[in-house]
Amino acid sequence: DTAVSQTPKYLVTQMGNDKSIKCEQNLGHDTMYWYKQDSKKFLKIMFSYNNKELIINETVPNRFSPKSPDKAHLNLHINSLELGDSAVYFCASSRRMTSGGVTDTQYFGPGTRLTVL
Amino acid sequence: GQNIDQPTEMTATEGAIVQINCTYQTSGFNGLFWYQQHAGEAPTFLSYNVLDGLEEKGRFSSFLSRSKGYSYLLLKELQMKDSASYLCAVIRFSGGYNKLIFGAGTRLAVHP
Repeated sequence: DTAVSQTPKYLVTQMGNDKSIKCEQNLGHDTMYWYKQDSKKFLKIMFSYNNKELIINETVPNRFSPKSPDKAHLNLHINSLELGDSAVYFCASSRRMTSGGVTDTQYFGPGTRLTVL
Repeated sequence: GQNIDQPTEMTATEGAIVQINCTYQTSGFNGLFWYQQHAGEAPTFLSYNVLDGLEEKGRFSSFLSRSKGYSYLLLKELQMKDSASYLCAVIRFSGGYNKLIFGAGTRLAVHP
């Protein structure tokens, strides 16, 4: 009964390849997020979707394309992978993102460690 | 813009008390979260503050002063399992939505 799940947990690939990471939440939340955590452990928002609608896009290169087929899923596709894309990618979800308060608490998935060689 | 500062590393002894500080500068402040992250794992929610004052939750307490742009996380009766990174995160309200901005985290090592 995992709340937020991601696959795969580890991803090792060559530069120039295209890869996808999948995320699912069973919390009934309206909002989902993708974060990137680099080698310095700095966690930075990339995208946010609210009820399948893109809300936040933090000037991420357009090689990164999120897709939300329904509000329980938010996938991340990365084209033409570069060395600098190596990081841990976390998916998260929250009940909503507009009201403020503890209802905006975000719950994180286990992360996907991406290594680009 | 936004700026969140917290110490990079701290050490403490099992059974002791430790205070992790966080200072922030942001427009549209709408609350502050503390998360715990063990190495190789996901961040997990610890506490939330939006009003000035202290929120207590078992061994963990979190304090906020909005006028000073300052928060701290207080951990009492430290246990070895408390060795982790502690992330201060500020909610910034902009364009009709809240966005969570994280600090770089404080790595706490608890020694016997």
